[in-house]
Amino acid sequence: AQSVTQLGSHVSVSEGALVLLRCNYSSSVPPYLFWYVQYPNQGLQLLLKYTSAATLVKGINGFEAEFKKSETSFHLTKPSAHMSDAAEYFCAVTMYSSASKIIFGSGTRLSIRP
Amino acid sequence: ETGVTQTPRHLVMGMTNKKSLKCEQHLGHNAMYWYKQSAKKPLELMFVYSLEERVENNSVPSRFSPECPNSSHLFLHLHTLQPEDSALYLCASSQDLGEEQFFGPGTRLTVL
Repeated sequence: AQSVTQLGSHVSVSEGALVLLRCNYSSSVPPYLFWYVQYPNQGLQLLLKYTSAATLVKGINGFEAEFKKSETSFHLTKPSAHMSDAAEYFCAVTMYSSASKIIFGSGTRLSIRP
Repeated sequence: ETGVTQTPRHLVMGMTNKKSLKCEQHLGHNAMYWYKQSAKKPLELMFVYSLEERVENNSVPSRFSPECPNSSHLFLHLHTLQPEDSALYLCASSQDLGEEQFFGPGTRLTVL
């Protein structure tokens, strides 16, 4: 069975500091992995996705994530946080086959301190 | 209109009312989804449709009734809801099952 664990329901960083949001997955087969962002009063927006090509995936807004099979991780990073990055971030996993659903993590709320 | 749209954006209803949520996708996708997002709880998948056929129903109470008349439209019919059903209801679509999903802005539902 697949599952996703996001460590830390709330992360706070200073503007300009490194952002690191953690995601670990479990899957019996190589997965597809996603990071989504949700701004207040909006739906989820795809940041980036891993689909077995390059292990380092670059997304929108300067975010990137690295797939590490040995650690079953797909952590999201951004070198320098901006105030506009404050939002809820969700990691998600699905199998290669035409799975009927994506499994979402419980989310991490990112706050940016001035 | 582009992407995934949802109407209404906000809805307040009593427990005896009947209302419907509407979702429309303008992306030519084959799969559509309903999610429930409650405060401090993970995103809950409610229903999945692929090519207008329901492929997933995650033990959702019968007071929620989905309808997918065509590949572009998805409805969620609501009747005799409970206050604990108050949440943000998100619609999403994807080209095919398991692929990246595109979300609408959601309907904020309050049940009095």
